[in-house]
Formats: sequence, C-alpha cells, structure tokens
Amino acid sequence: EAQVTQNPRYLITVTGKKLTVTCSQNMNHEYMSWYRQDPGLGLRQIYYSMNVEVTDKGDVPEGYKVSRKEKRNFPLILESPSPNQTSLYFCASSLVAPSSYNEQFFGPGTRLTVL
Amino acid sequence: KNEVEQSPQNLTAQEGEFITINCSYSVGISALHWLQQHPGGGIVSLFMLSSGKKKHGRLIATINIQEKHSSLHITASHPRDSAVYICAVREEDNDMRFGAGTRLTVKP
Repeated sequence: EAQVTQNPRYLITVTGKKLTVTCSQNMNHEYMSWYRQDPGLGLRQIYYSMNVEVTDKGDVPEGYKVSRKEKRNFPLILESPSPNQTSLYFCASSLVAPSSYNEQFFGPGTRLTVL
Repeated sequence: KNEVEQSPQNLTAQEGEFITINCSYSVGISALHWLQQHPGGGIVSLFMLSSGKKKHGRLIATINIQEKHSSLHITASHPRDSAVYICAVREEDNDMRFGAGTRLTVKP
C-alpha cells in the first residue's frame, strides 16, 4: 500500500532531550516536507527536500534539523526540544514539488509534547 | 496578516445544502491545493489547481489567478463531509503556505 509513515505517533519528552521523528514513504517520491500544526496558526512548513541530499528551510525552521540521505526517508531532528515545539507534526511527500498535477500525500501525524 | 486567508472560519450547514469555502492569497503562486483534515487528524489532498476549475464527485474547486482567489464548493452536502478544509499555496520560491482552515459541520 502506498503510504507515508511517521514514528512515533505520540511522544511526551522533556526539555533538552534530543529526539528524532522518522518519516518514510514507499512511493519513490522526490519531494518530502515537514509541517507543524498549531491551534490558531494552522499548518506551517518547517523544512522540505526536493531530492536526495537537497534540503531547504521552510517558514519555521528554527530548532529543527533534517537530513535526506536516501529518497525514502526524511527524519526530523530536534537537538534540544523546548516547550514551544509542542505541536502536531506532519510529514508529506509528492512525486515532485507540489504543483497542479502533483498531489501531496500526508503521514498520519506525530503529536509531540515537550515538558 | 497571513498570506493565505480563508473564510469562513467555521461553517454549519444542514444536510443537502450547497457549501462554499473561500480562499484569498496575496503572493505569487505556482499552484493552489485544497486539503481535507478529518476529525481524527488525517490530511487528504482534494485538489491541485493552477487555473480554471476541477470537479471530483460532489466537490468543485475553482481558481481565479488574476483575482488571487479560489473557492471550494460542495454540492448536496452530507454529514460525512464534516471536516476542516485547508487552502494551501505553493509560492514561486517553493515554500508552501497554508490558510487557517475552515471547520465545516454538516448536520443531518
């Protein structure tokens, strides 16, 4: 089944403890992206990747890192999480960059709480 | 001011009503997307547009590039259409920007 998977789905952690949220897609998509969703602010793009070894900052990249060593995986790394990174995170992928012909497929979301 | 504005924020309708959700944007874009977020949180892409109109079942999406405006219409609305509908634009520099969403509730 074609899908985008994220792990973990739920995580409660403490300030400063490094964590990684994994994202994997099995559709051979070139484009992958991370978003966070907060009440009243909607979805905001954190980082995106147009292809392997190519990553770019989105709207709110501060406090996050990403890597794209292989096409299928795009992990989101929080080196020193802080409470303001408590949010719902979505990974998404599309064949190429989202356009009028390229649908984005979203992962199920990861709900992160930083105490 | 958000570059992508949606209206209304909340919408309650009776089953069978015709629904319109609006999206206005202020930046140059290469594409506009309509997304549906289910009550459980999952997000599904409904439409991708750069011009004109697209139809899928009871859903219709239109875009007017000159006016920087898009609408999502739902005909013969049904309670299962209850969800949050999100407008998203891909800017010319590849950033994705999202509206705050419209929460639709369709009552039987």
